[in-house]
Amino acid sequence: SAVISQKPSRDICQRGTSLTIQCQVDSQVTMMFWYRQQPGQSLTLIATANQGSEATYESGFVIDKFPISRPNLTFSTLTVSNMSPEDSSIYLCSVRTGGAGQPQHFGDGTRLSIL
Amino acid sequence: QQQVKQSPQSLIVQKGGISIINCAYENTAFDYFPWYQQFPGKGPALLIAIRPDVSEKKEGRFTISFNKSAKQFSLHIMDSQPGDSATYFCAAPSLKGNTGKLIFGQGTTLQVKP
Repeated sequence: SAVISQKPSRDICQRGTSLTIQCQVDSQVTMMFWYRQQPGQSLTLIATANQGSEATYESGFVIDKFPISRPNLTFSTLTVSNMSPEDSSIYLCSVRTGGAGQPQHFGDGTRLSIL
Repeated sequence: QQQVKQSPQSLIVQKGGISIINCAYENTAFDYFPWYQQFPGKGPALLIAIRPDVSEKKEGRFTISFNKSAKQFSLHIMDSQPGDSATYFCAAPSLKGNTGKLIFGQGTTLQVKP
């Protein structure tokens, strides 16, 4: 399976600032996704990162708050903008390497705390 | 909104016992149904996955049973070990076909006592 690296692995940020999280994959993948996992909770899909075009956001998530880029088939970034304590969470990148029948694989996530 | 209901929320099993986690889903696209295992401080790791045209899949001590008519699937961990202590998530493919999206269950925290 693909090796997925996320940076940073954790960070503590001040309220009102923004943080960009990077997701790098060691091989080309067909799909990349960004999830949020609040402490002790399940995974919630934020958006699908589309290569060369605007991301597709899920209900409750907007581009102004979570801008996403995907310049190529191995790299994507998620920015958490104008952060508040409610944004304290784990942010996870996942990838799918093929079409139907191929599973998603996750990175180890970015643990974000907002003061 | 499409949901996946997972039970139990937590589970305690003795070493050597069988751990069983259940999931129920709503209408979905025709795609795989995976189970993920997550340890503290790590991302979810794919454990085992099954296609909906298969009723059972076994990999080592882990087995998925799939009941398409009942829209249910379950994970069985045979000979459970303390190292299996983790949080387990089931997932179902989104009804929006060809998107690759997954809908996750709420998670089950498994503790295997030595």
